[in-house]
Amino acid sequence: QKEVEQNSGPLSVPEGAIASLNCTYSDRVSQSFFWYRQYSGKSPELIMSIYSNGDKEDGRFTAQLNKASQYVSLLIRDSQPSDSATYLCAAFSGGYNKLIFGAGTRLAVHP
Amino acid sequence: ETGVTQSPTHLIKTRGQQVTLRCSSQSGHNTVSWYQQALGQGPQFIFQYYREEENGRGNFPPRFSGLQFPNYSSELNVNALELDDSALYLCASSWGSESNEQFFGPGTRLTVL
Repeated sequence: QKEVEQNSGPLSVPEGAIASLNCTYSDRVSQSFFWYRQYSGKSPELIMSIYSNGDKEDGRFTAQLNKASQYVSLLIRDSQPSDSATYLCAAFSGGYNKLIFGAGTRLAVHP
Repeated sequence: ETGVTQSPTHLIKTRGQQVTLRCSSQSGHNTVSWYQQALGQGPQFIFQYYREEENGRGNFPPRFSGLQFPNYSSELNVNALELDDSALYLCASSWGSESNEQFFGPGTRLTVL
């Protein structure tokens, strides 16, 4: 099993809907998780970090961490076409200084 | 607050050449990590510099080397370029040597012909 895994998508949702992005992880990563958004041709932008079991909300974004099931998810409420991007899930590995990324899930929000 | 900057933006080299990429960390940050992102993949960790010392290395050959300067800016050097080195090279800055949020610069797109 890879350390961090994501479905590559694309995930297509209509404007205004909730987009749900999921990520699973192995025992080899630490318990710090990050969601980055990456527009085509640009660099990743940190949008959420989560360290504790449960939910963490920031505006239209909610990160959810379930340590028992080893998954972390990102919910985007009221999705907008500007949310169309690749979303990367990441966690620390190897002594907390190395970020391991999933391959990313491509999200397409259509009007 | 100044964000992470990288130079150059784009670079074209031929196989066998050497390249140096530069990164300035965000103000207040003392740690720089370098990543390679191939098309359609997530970034892969190359190495990290903390207080001018290498603080961890990923699965990259020795021809990938780096430096960090007293002002916390950093360089990534790649010798004997190969076609597979074509990628987006990203640096990320953070504070401290452990699990803190990392913020990426705009990246350098390297093409090896």
